[in-house]
Amino acid sequence: DAGITQSPRHKVTETGTPVTLRCHQTENHRYMYWYRQDPGHGLRLIHYSYGVKDTDKGEVSDGYSVSRSKTEDFLLTLESATSSQTSVYFCAISEGVQGGNQPQHFGDGTRLSIL
Amino acid sequence: QKEVEQDPGPLSVPEGAIVSLNCTYSNSAFQYFMWYRQYSRKGPELLMYTYSSGNKEDGRFTAQVDKSSKYISLFIRDSQPSDSATYLCAIFNAGNMLTFGGGTRLMVKP
Repeated sequence: DAGITQSPRHKVTETGTPVTLRCHQTENHRYMYWYRQDPGHGLRLIHYSYGVKDTDKGEVSDGYSVSRSKTEDFLLTLESATSSQTSVYFCAISEGVQGGNQPQHFGDGTRLSIL
Repeated sequence: QKEVEQDPGPLSVPEGAIVSLNCTYSNSAFQYFMWYRQYSRKGPELLMYTYSSGNKEDGRFTAQVDKSSKYISLFIRDSQPSDSATYLCAIFNAGNMLTFGGGTRLMVKP
């Protein structure tokens, strides 16, 4: 198994509160990704990182921010959580100089419920 | 139209059956194709990764790509109850980002 740890694994919080999810990898891979998975939509990319302090937006980035201060850690923050952000969040990693066309390996997800 | 389409199922088969899972895609520029398996409450796990048209085998699994029809398939031979999971196809788009199908839920009954 790829060395990816997501924390917390489950979280319930209230609308309007800030939430931070953490992804930690032990593979020293350059690329890290945050996805959300929802019924009827599959996996959708939120943000990704191609190096320390280098990040870019994905398909569904509104309402989310990310930070990567170390190779091994990639944080996803919901500044003011909304009920539409209730989802399962997956972190993924991939190696490669440009990250292109390299398979991504996933963590086991964080189930986030926003009431 | 979604870039990658997949029948959500569920697909129910008896143990030992040959399973065929399929995806269609819209962009002929797509070149790299993957299949992931996802068990309930777990992350997707890479099963197969292929580039060219034709078949690629790995044990009981065969991935098939038909670029002329923009159609990819995953075949599972001698299916087992442990194969019960959701299968996701994934394709690298022009921006080198993965686009996923919605997944097909497979149930293999003993």
